[in-house]
Amino acid sequence: SQTIHQWPATLVQPVGSPLSLECTVEGTSNPNLYWYRQAAGRGLQLLFYSVGIGQISSEVPQNLSASRPQDRQFILSSKKLLLSDSGFYLCAWSMTLGHQPQHFGDGTRLSIL
Amino acid sequence: GQQLNQSPQSMFIQEGEDVSMNCTSSSIFNTWLWYKQDPGEGPVLLIALYKAGELTSNGRLTAQFGITRKDSFLNISASIPSDVGIYFCAGQLGAGKSTFGDGTTLTVKP
Repeated sequence: SQTIHQWPATLVQPVGSPLSLECTVEGTSNPNLYWYRQAAGRGLQLLFYSVGIGQISSEVPQNLSASRPQDRQFILSSKKLLLSDSGFYLCAWSMTLGHQPQHFGDGTRLSIL
Repeated sequence: GQQLNQSPQSMFIQEGEDVSMNCTSSSIFNTWLWYKQDPGEGPVLLIALYKAGELTSNGRLTAQFGITRKDSFLNISASIPSDVGIYFCAGQLGAGKSTFGDGTTLTVKP
């Protein structure tokens, strides 16, 4: 069966510091991969999605970037964090064919001080 | 972009009661999804709907894909304390990307 792992679970970073969040998927090949952000009490906002290695689409302009160096690895990064980058970050995967639902990791709680 | 209106925003019910929540959109979707999120965790898929008019059950949960393709509802029958959480609807138009509602927070009193 497929599994998705995200780390770290929680992270506290100072303003202006860099960021790297990792996500890996096991048990499937060539998945679509996604990064979402969830503000407190709100729904999920799609930040990036990827249909293959090195292919990244950005949904909203922001201070973050994403990379997919391997088929089942998705990384969310920032060179300099802002206070507004605080939130709950969720990685997700889906099958590539047809209309397939996303399956989520357990998220990273990011607090910027 | 597409937006979903999910209601109610929150619900407080007694154990054993039935629950109903819904999502509406100004534009059509090809797929409707319902997720549940527990505190500090990622959303977990409950039900996926792929055809207009489709009615699908998963245990005590029942969801329907509206005939106009612009709405969906989720019912929970005979609620229990572990039903507590945030329920999200999501719609897909193109393959893969989902638009999420803002969630319905469910509280169940024993």
